[in-house]
Amino acid sequence: SAVISQKPSRDICQRGTSLTIQCQVDSQVTMMFWYRQQPGQSLTLIATANQGSEATYESGFVIDKFPISRPNLTFSTLTVSNMSPEDSSIYLCSVAGRGNQPQHFGDGTRLSIL
Amino acid sequence: GESVGLHLPTLSVQEGDNSIINCAYSNSASDYFIWYKQESGKGPQFIIDIRSNMDKRQGQRVTVLLNKTVKHLSLQIAATQPGDSAVYFCAENEQYSGGGADGLTFGKGTHLIIQP
Repeated sequence: SAVISQKPSRDICQRGTSLTIQCQVDSQVTMMFWYRQQPGQSLTLIATANQGSEATYESGFVIDKFPISRPNLTFSTLTVSNMSPEDSSIYLCSVAGRGNQPQHFGDGTRLSIL
Repeated sequence: GESVGLHLPTLSVQEGDNSIINCAYSNSASDYFIWYKQESGKGPQFIIDIRSNMDKRQGQRVTVLLNKTVKHLSLQIAATQPGDSAVYFCAENEQYSGGGADGLTFGKGTHLIIQP
């Protein structure tokens, strides 16, 4: 399976600031996904990131708050904008497998907003 | 709305016993189901998956059972080991194309605790 690296692994940020999270994959993948996992909760899909096109956002998530880039087939970024304490979560990227392979996840970015 | 959920937040079993983790889903259009294991500080790790045209699939020490009639999914772990301690999530999507093109809907998670 693909090796997925996320940076930073964790950060503590001030409210009102923005943070960009990077996701790097060691092989080319068509689809990349961004999820949020709030403390003690399950994962919720934020958006699907396609290379060369706009990301597709799920209900409750908007581009102004979570802009996403997907410049090539091995890299994506998620920005958490104008952060508030409610944005304190783990943000995870996953990649779609080839053929019938399942989605695989990075270890996430643990974000705390003061 | 459509959702995937789990019955129990915590399951405690003795080391060496078999564990069964359950999951209920409500989207009758779901045709792909997957179990993940998440250890503290890590991302979800794939365990096993199953498509809706099957009712059972076995892996190494794990078995997934799918009952489409009652929209129920279970994960069985044989001879539970201390390393099995983690949170287990079921997830689903519909119209799985084989290319993993759809995002997943996750259940709430079950924390499996292994007692010595």
